[in-house]
Amino acid sequence: QSVLTQPPSVSGAPGQRVTISCTGSSSNIGAGYDVHWYQQLPGTAPKLVIYGNNNRPSGVPDRFSGSKSGTSASLAITGLQAQDEADYYCQSYDSSLSGSMVFGGGTKLTVL
Amino acid sequence: QVQLQESGPGLVKPSQTLSLTCTVSGGSITSGGYYWSWIRQHPGKGLEWIGYIYYSGSTSYNPSLKSRVTISVDTSKNQFSLKLSSVTAADTAVYYCARTTMAYYDMDVWGQGTTVTVSS
Repeated sequence: QSVLTQPPSVSGAPGQRVTISCTGSSSNIGAGYDVHWYQQLPGTAPKLVIYGNNNRPSGVPDRFSGSKSGTSASLAITGLQAQDEADYYCQSYDSSLSGSMVFGGGTKLTVL
Repeated sequence: QVQLQESGPGLVKPSQTLSLTCTVSGGSITSGGYYWSWIRQHPGKGLEWIGYIYYSGSTSYNPSLKSRVTISVDTSKNQFSLKLSSVTAADTAVYYCARTTMAYYDMDVWGQGTTVTVSS
């Protein structure tokens, strides 16, 4: 059971917009800690795509965006492409666990 | 640019200690502004943070693993290491090292990962 809750799967057709939610609590996202998002292609290491709730690292397309409100955060991907098919994880900090970094359980994005 | 590379045995016997090293290249581990983390991923599962270390030696560990984990740093070799004691089959996973920014606590650079199997 992950501290941060994500839907197991989402899907969308090429060109469409999809969103992935990440729900936390008052000890992590709701406490004001930043949320970060990672993309993991099959057989590879995770790659940072959003940091600090809504910032894109250099080289990440502007099709990727993040938002945060209350105890939840979201990753949005517009203009969906086949190469976006991957697992996506949110990550934050939790103050209730003696200070611990926590991940969501991951969401499998399928491009139809 | 900074690159990380994990190394260590791919097979560990139950009850023994798992030992992995992460070598940092393209930058200094003492440059400041970063923690150096270990994360693992059980087969077909999500990511689990194990802990991190600052180059000064200060550490933070996942409470669920704290009793078995030691992370250390060797600044002369630009490396940091993970030791996980009393391993069982439940510790079989892909182990990643990653650079964690102190500004946001995000992991901006990852190693490729190394698979560790616990089996007799």
